[in-house]
Amino acid sequence: QVQLKESGPGLVQPSQTLSLTCTVSGFSLTSYSVHWVRQHSGKSLEWMGRMWSDGDTSYNSAFTSRLSISRDTSKSQVFLKMNSLQTEDTGTYYCARLGADWYFDFWGPGTMVTVSS
Amino acid sequence: DTVLTQSPALAVSPGERVTISCRASESVSTLMHWYQQKPGQQPTLLIYLASNLESGVPARFSGSGSGTDFTLTIDPVEADDTATYYCQQSWNDPWTFGGGTKLELK
Repeated sequence: QVQLKESGPGLVQPSQTLSLTCTVSGFSLTSYSVHWVRQHSGKSLEWMGRMWSDGDTSYNSAFTSRLSISRDTSKSQVFLKMNSLQTEDTGTYYCARLGADWYFDFWGPGTMVTVSS
Repeated sequence: DTVLTQSPALAVSPGERVTISCRASESVSTLMHWYQQKPGQQPTLLIYLASNLESGVPARFSGSGSGTDFTLTIDPVEADDTATYYCQQSWNDPWTFGGGTKLELK
């Protein structure tokens, strides 16, 4: 069955770089697009960026040049790297699979990231 | 960016009908989707392309709309429907979510 699972450090110091991994199973990264979405505690959801099935990427301009998404298809993993973290980057980060009609049909359980010294 | 506006909260009694609205600041055609999120859990898809029921989702849920005005209807509401509901558009980049409507049962 389709599964996604995020993993990461949990705690990051301000100004440092966040590195998260989304490990997927039940589908191929060369057939489906995977996206990153974050959620501040008690707040709404924010789309961050996407890895298309062909390996192309695109990002929400709100993150300017801080964000990078890459993948390793042999390991079925998609990576998120975001630098210059601030306290307002604290939240839960989700990876989600994009369904055929551009909706998110499967989500990972999320990983909580706290930015604090 | 396309702003999606939802009412922040609603309170209804079990067995009633509830409509949750989502208004877009510009047209999103029918590329509007609805998700349910319960506390401590990830969002789950309810409705895609404005009116299509995701497999496995109870028929009590339905969606309608196009352009800028969309509605999610739950009829009848059950106790398990206590959650926050989000609309999301994938017509304009960047893709955006509504602020969420918290549904509480009386």
